[in-house]
Amino acid sequence: SQQGEEDPQALSIQEGENATMNCSYKTSINNLQWYRQNSGRGLVHLILIRSNEREKHSGRLRVTLDTSKKSSSLLITASRAADTASYFCATDAIGGGGADGLTFGKGTHLIIQP
Amino acid sequence: GAVVSQHPSWVICKSGTSVKIECRSLDFQATTMFWYRQFPKQSLMLMATSNEGSKATYEQGVEKDKFLINHASLTLSTLTVTSAHPEDSSFYICSARRGGYTGELFFGEGSRLTVL
Repeated sequence: SQQGEEDPQALSIQEGENATMNCSYKTSINNLQWYRQNSGRGLVHLILIRSNEREKHSGRLRVTLDTSKKSSSLLITASRAADTASYFCATDAIGGGGADGLTFGKGTHLIIQP
Repeated sequence: GAVVSQHPSWVICKSGTSVKIECRSLDFQATTMFWYRQFPKQSLMLMATSNEGSKATYEQGVEKDKFLINHASLTLSTLTVTSAHPEDSSFYICSARRGGYTGELFFGEGSRLTVL
């Protein structure tokens, strides 16, 4: 599986500020998902956006998807110390029929300074 | 949400031994499960797709004789790292798809393998 790129690789901001992470991918997709991973732990699913959607909200999360640019962004508003984690985007490619696993981006390590 | 359980959470073994990691879907049946590998500070790399009742499909570069996958039932897939070496030390994560090919994916908590 080819991986997408995420930027920045690492991001450190003050509590209360907004954090924006970007993800680019290479193939046509059915959907794109964002996950959070605390150090040494499993993945927590945050949000899924389908290829025919452009923006989606969930609580303090806002995800955008631009299929023409093959890119997505994750915005976390009013960040909290507990948001400190690694964030990964993952794509579900067209044609896999669900038999393929997700392709993960390289991830952004987010640090929220209290 | 649905639960996927991995066992063990962490294991330390000597070089040359084999280690088995289990992935169970606790409250749903999964015809397809996936195994990923994650090195420190890196992303998840898909190793193989585990299909219930048939052979696993391995990604390019993954040795099928090294990483044995068995999907004996609709709720259990196992990954056996055979003749483990220190370079096999990694975090292994499984995921299970609920509800057929378009179903949602659920991830286990991961298993950390350290080979001495």
